[in-house]
Parts: sequence; C-alpha cells; structure tokens
Amino acid sequence: KQEVTQIPAALSVPEGENLVLNCSFTDSAIYNLQWFRQDPGKGLTSLLLIQSSQREQTSGRLNASLDKSSGRSTLYIAASQPGDSATYLCAVRPSSGYQKVTFGTGTKLQVIP
Amino acid sequence: NAGVTQTPKFQVLKTGQSMTLQCAQDMNHEYMSWYRQDPGMGLRLIHYSVGAGITDQGEVPNGYNVSRSTTEDFPLRLLSAAPSQTSVYFCASSPRQVGNQPQHFGDGTRLSIL
Repeated sequence: KQEVTQIPAALSVPEGENLVLNCSFTDSAIYNLQWFRQDPGKGLTSLLLIQSSQREQTSGRLNASLDKSSGRSTLYIAASQPGDSATYLCAVRPSSGYQKVTFGTGTKLQVIP
Repeated sequence: NAGVTQTPKFQVLKTGQSMTLQCAQDMNHEYMSWYRQDPGMGLRLIHYSVGAGITDQGEVPNGYNVSRSTTEDFPLRLLSAAPSQTSVYFCASSPRQVGNQPQHFGDGTRLSIL
C-alpha cells in the first residue's frame, strides 16, 4: 500500500525567505505526482504536476522536483509572501489503478510579514 | 466555467439519517472521485468512477454508495449517517487521458453528524 508522508507538518518562515516542502512516498511505481494548495475552508488548487518521467516542473516562484527512485519530491517556493500561507498537499497517482490517488497529510505554511 | 460544483456546502444530520451529496462537473471529464478529509489524516478515497455506469471502491467505502448515470454527475449517498462520518467531503474530476492533466476539485461539503 502506498504511503505518502509530508514533513514537517507545520512551518513558519519570515517573508522573503526561500523554502522547501518535502513529500516522500513508499512505492516508486507512480504515474505522476501533483502538488496542491489548500486555503482554510476551501478546496484544493492544483499547483504543479510532475510526470514520472520528468525531474521537475516550474511555475512562477514555484519549482517541484521528483526523484522517483528514492521516493521523494520537493516543492521549492522562492521569495515567500504572506499570500503563500496555506496548507500544501502532495498526491501520488499510481502507474496502475490510476484512480487510487494517495495524498499526504500536508504541510501548513505560515509566512510572517 | 464552473468546473466542479458540490452541494450543499454545509450540512448537519442526526445519526441514522440519510442524505446525498451532489457533485457535478462541466468539463466532460470521464474520471470522478469522492474523498473525505479528516484532521491529521489527509484525503482518503471513498469511491471513484471511470465513466458513466462504472464505479468502484476506494480506501474507505463502507457506509457510502455512489452511482454514475451521466458523465456530469457523481452523487455520494450516506445510507445511515454515523458520527464517524463527520468530515469534509471533496469531489474531484480528471480527463481519461490523465497524463499531464491535474485533478480538479470542488470546494467541499462540510458534514456534521450529531
């Protein structure tokens, strides 16, 4: 059974700092990995999706990397802003049984002005 | 472009009552899923569908039923509500060619069972 872990569970940083969020998974037979943002009381917003054959994806100040063999992904946020405060979730889609996506428990990020 | 729409947004039920959570998407996505989100446990898959008329169980299906009569709609039914089903429920959709296509989520239904 796939297990997805996100450490730390919570992170507080001053505005302007660069930061890295971590996601690890136990089964490397994945199709893709997706990073989401969740604001309090809201749904999930997709940030980046990395295919299993890719090493990284970038969107603006966000960069996600994937090392499938070691079961790790990182989300890099450059020059953090208070508006980045949210919970960040990673989700792994398996290479067979596409629908059985497994989510991590998330990292709650607070960016302090 | 509405995306994925969930209704209601909030609901309070008494133990033993039944209800249906509605989910509709307007993106012509074949794949749809229901998740529940509980504190400290992340999102867990309840049921999913790969197209009209086809559904299957996820990780935590007990106490829930689904059906998929159209591509657009994927309702989730609680047969006899229990306090353990107090949670936030999310519906998601994605196209059949999942390749580089992200899942799209609704805003959730916050359900309390008394």
